[in-house]
Amino acid sequence: SAVISQKPSRDICQRGTSLTIQCQVDSQVTMMFWYRQQPGQSLTLIATANQGSEATYESGFVIDKFPISRPNLTFSTLTVSNMSPEDSSIYLCSVGGSGTLSYEQYFGPGTRLTVT
Amino acid sequence: GQNIDQPTEMTATEGAIVQINCTYQTSGFNGLFWYQQHAGEAPTFLSYNVLDGLEEKGRFSSFLSRSKGYSYLLLKELQMKDSASYLCAVREGRGSTLGRLYFGRGTQLTVWP
Repeated sequence: SAVISQKPSRDICQRGTSLTIQCQVDSQVTMMFWYRQQPGQSLTLIATANQGSEATYESGFVIDKFPISRPNLTFSTLTVSNMSPEDSSIYLCSVGGSGTLSYEQYFGPGTRLTVT
Repeated sequence: GQNIDQPTEMTATEGAIVQINCTYQTSGFNGLFWYQQHAGEAPTFLSYNVLDGLEEKGRFSSFLSRSKGYSYLLLKELQMKDSASYLCAVREGRGSTLGRLYFGRGTQLTVWP
């Protein structure tokens, strides 16, 4: 399985500021995704991070609020912009579609964000 | 769209067997996943079904019926460490859109001694 790391692991931020979360994978992967898990809730897909092109956002999520970069096949960033307390969540990077394990999908350890 | 339903909570005793059901309605179905998530941790991959039938992996088995939009996760010989949330997720898409997962709300399983 792919080894996924995220930075930071947690942060406390003030409203109105922005935070960029990094996701690094130890091998080249075709697909990378960003999810959000609000307190006590399940996971919600934010967007698909496309290498070399703009991310594909799910309904309810927009690029101005959650800009995403994917400069290569092992790295992506998610920025949470102009934060409010409602953005307090765990943000998770997920990868899949790699070689013979293309049917499996794995999650990074997550970034726990608290907005005050 | 997606409509994924699973029970909110279940309890069982150590050594027992428990079955967690998941029903779904979705377009572009391309597989069903089960994940285990302990409190404060990321989800851990448990199983994947794309064809009808039973997939067995140690103490855990997962079943899929595509015509019924139904899956279950079977946990045998329950241990205290199996207390966790179990997430059912459906994958949609083909080609460049392959891989988007849509999750149910999760089933919180508590295993009692």
